Amino acid sequence: QSALTQPASVSASPGQSITISCTGTSSDVGTYNYVSWYQQHPGKAPKLMIYDVNNRPSGVSTRFSASKSGSTASLTISGLQAEDEADYYCTSYTSSGSHLFGTGTKVSVL
Amino acid sequence: EVQMVESGGGLVKPGGSLRLSCAASGFSFSSYSVNWVRQAPGKGLEWVSSITPFASHLYYADSVKGRFTMSRDDAQSSLYLQMDRLRAEDTAVYYCARSLGYYDSGGFLVWGQGTLVTVSS
Repeated sequence: QSALTQPASVSASPGQSITISCTGTSSDVGTYNYVSWYQQHPGKAPKLMIYDVNNRPSGVSTRFSASKSGSTASLTISGLQAEDEADYYCTSYTSSGSHLFGTGTKVSVL
Repeated sequence: EVQMVESGGGLVKPGGSLRLSCAASGFSFSSYSVNWVRQAPGKGLEWVSSITPFASHLYYADSVKGRFTMSRDDAQSSLYLQMDRLRAEDTAVYYCARSLGYYDSGGFLVWGQGTLVTVSS
C-alpha cells in the first residue's frame, strides 16, 4: 500500500490559519473514521493531536481541528503560533487491519 | 506516570537479527493494543506492526511480514519485536506506541522515545 498523500510543506504567518490535506482511498480514509493526526518536532517522538477524524486528546489545544470528506481528511491549525512549527502526519486504519501513514507535511511559521 | 521505554537497538550486519523490547508503566498494559512504528533517517513515519490484548490479533506491514515477529508479555508489561533477516532499508528509529484503547484501529496515544537500529556492514 502506498502512503497517504500530504502536501510536502505549508507555511503561514503567526495568527493565520492553515489546512493540511491527507488523501487516501476507499480502502482506508474513505471507509474508516479512524483517521489520526500527529505532530512531530525534530528529534522528538510523535504526539497525537487528533483521533477518530475530529477528536482531540486531553491537553491538545482547541486551535487544532480536523474533518473528513470522502477519501480526504484535513487538519486545520488556527491562530498559528511559533510552537506549531513541526512535521505533521496523518494516518488511517485500513481494510487489511494495518495502519497507513501519510507522507508528512512540514509546517513553517514565517 | 504513563510511559513506554524502548531498548535493544544497535548496529547489526545485513542478514542479522536483533530483538527490541519496550517496557510500559503507569497503565494497565494488558488492556491495550500496542504497536511498533519506525522512522528512517530523514524520512516519514511507517507503521510496522500491531498486537491486540491477549495477542488475539497480530498485524504486520508487508515490508516486514515474514521477517519480524511481534509479541507481548502482559505479566511483565512488555512488548517485543524480533527482527530477523535485517536489510539496510530497516535502518530506522523504532518507536513503541500504545493505542487509545483495547482495539488497534484508533490513534496511538502514548509513545516511547525510540531506539535506533542501524543495519550496515
